[in-house]
Order: sequence, then structure tokens, then C-alpha cells
Amino acid sequence: ETGVTQSPTHLIKTRGQQVTLRCSSQSGHNTVSWYQQALGQGPQFIFQYYREEENGRGNFPPRFSGLQFPNYSSELNVNALELDDSALYLCASRPQDRVYNEQFFGPGTRLTVL
Amino acid sequence: AQSVTQLDSQVPVFEEAPVELRCNYSSSVSVYLFWYVQYPNQGLQLLLKYLSGSTLVKGINGFEAEFNKSQTSFHLRKPSVHISDTAEYFCAVSDNQAGTALIFGKGTTLSVSS
Repeated sequence: ETGVTQSPTHLIKTRGQQVTLRCSSQSGHNTVSWYQQALGQGPQFIFQYYREEENGRGNFPPRFSGLQFPNYSSELNVNALELDDSALYLCASRPQDRVYNEQFFGPGTRLTVL
Repeated sequence: AQSVTQLDSQVPVFEEAPVELRCNYSSSVSVYLFWYVQYPNQGLQLLLKYLSGSTLVKGINGFEAEFNKSQTSFHLRKPSVHISDTAEYFCAVSDNQAGTALIFGKGTTLSVSS
């Protein structure tokens, strides 16, 4: 059974650009969440997708958007990048048969905005 | 709203010494509690979880945690640490409603030296 994978591993962008990060959920997981982890901080919830629809969102502006595909892979899109968007972005998936919120995390994408 | 406070940002210990990493949470509803570990340049790995039942929870790598509802705490313990336990540890809380996020603390850096 493969775990959660993310691509790319590292990314460097300049302020104002747009970026797309990708995630492949673990097999059998139909719920995916994205988190932002700034340096020295705990992860912060961006949003969650279930059956290709957003069903929960944290305190992030609309320039953070996402997609979930029928094969449960997912994308995080960030428009108009700001310096403060520099962070580790973590994708997490959850088994469809779990009623509690145990999530399985990928290795993350390190985004640097210059 | 839920919140998590990790009371120590850094905990330095010597190898084979016992360690306790403290976590307090705030929630008005029943919760699920988690401890995750993050090694350098990696994603989050689940150490253990409390869902219900016995308040003493055992996890991987010899770690355990005790849920104390009256003190709203979920402290992580290990009787004898190894150099390889050096990592960042995050406490997280989630309520029992579907579609909600994990709320993380800011993390505790455990540094084990010989």
C-alpha cells in the first residue's frame, strides 16, 4: 500500500506568481486536507475535500483554492503569491471508513517565495 | 473554538532519561487527541491517538500518553529516550464531527544528547 505522495518536493517562486501543488492520496482514502506549516509553527488547516467538493475551510483567503479528482488525487493552487506564503505545504488523507479524524500525511512541498 | 497549547517549545534531555512533553487543549465538545512526530525535512507521522475508553494510550516507538479530561491535558511520555527520538512533536485535537480539521499546537522540539 503506497502512502500519501506530494510533488514537487521543493519550489521557488517570486511574489505575484501562481503555484500548483499536487498530492496523491493513500489508496482507499476519499478525504484529503491541505495544511500550511510556516517555519517554527504547527500546521494550519487550509481546506478539506470530500468527493470532489470542499467541505471545510480554515482562515485562508480565496486566492488559496483546491481541486480533488475522481481518483482522489488533489491540487492546491495559490494565486498572487506573497512572501508570507513561504512554508511547508502538507497534504493529508483520511480513510473513508474512519469516523474519527485520523489523517495520514505526505512529506510536504517546501515553497519559497522571493 | 478548539485550541492546543504545548507548554514547552524546547525540551533537552540526555539519552536514556525519561521525558514528558506537555499538551493542554481547549474544547467545548468531545474530542479526539493525537500526537504526531516530525523528523527534519519530513512530513508528520502519527505516534498515538486517543479516541475513547482507557485514558492511557500506547503508541509507537515506546511512547505513551495519558488523557486527563478534568485537566484538559494529553501529555506524552517515554521512560527512556534515544538519540533517534530527536524531532519535533505536535499535539493535535479534533472534534467528533465529520469534515473538520486537526488543530495543532506550535510544537515541542525534543533534543536528545549523549
